[in-house]
Amino acid sequence: QLQLQESGPGLVKPSETLSLTCTVSGGSISSSSYYWGWIRQPPGKGPEWIGTVHYSGTTYYNPSLKSRLTISVDTSKGQFSVKLSSVTAADTAVFYCARLYVPGYFDYWGQGTLVTVSS
Amino acid sequence: QSALTQPASVSGSPGQSITISCTGSSSDVGGHNLVSWYQQHPGKAPKLMIFEDTKRPSGISNRFSGSKSGNTASLTISGLQAEDEADYYCCSYAGSTTWVFGGGTKLTVL
Repeated sequence: QLQLQESGPGLVKPSETLSLTCTVSGGSISSSSYYWGWIRQPPGKGPEWIGTVHYSGTTYYNPSLKSRLTISVDTSKGQFSVKLSSVTAADTAVFYCARLYVPGYFDYWGQGTLVTVSS
Repeated sequence: QSALTQPASVSGSPGQSITISCTGSSSDVGGHNLVSWYQQHPGKAPKLMIFEDTKRPSGISNRFSGSKSGNTASLTISGLQAEDEADYYCCSYAGSTTWVFGGGTKLTVL
């Protein structure tokens, strides 16, 4: 059974860079059929797609976040990561990693990790 | 890229049917057969319930069904059960390798 697990700091200071990693287990991150995505959900709000990466390194970003965003993949470790720079309180959210069957749907999700932006 | 529009809340009694709408545009919902629906219980990750507008993943009850007309997709839950009480989100491919979610609908089983 495929499992995804987010990891990273739960507290980030304003103006700093948020960094999270997703570890994929029970399956290969190097499948050509799937992409790997980050989604965030601010408290009490709906999810927002952040960006997506393929094992080849191809990335797709939400245009509203693109200038602050970097998503990368490390196939040797079965991991993919997100970096969001210059964070503000508005970036406080539960961050999920998920598998994306392109172009359609997110079928496996991590449990999510809350990242709070505060000094 | 605007969020898809969903009603904030819907409710129904056990055994009844409810429908949740998800309205977008011709760039997303109406332009592709790629609407998916997710169920989220408090403190849990979203769970895929419907994909490609109308398809159910293996293991999802046939009480859940999806449909679409123009720029509006719908999720119908028949034979409501207490465990269906949750938040529901729609998501659509929006072209140019981007995806957009709805704001979510809270389903209350009375």
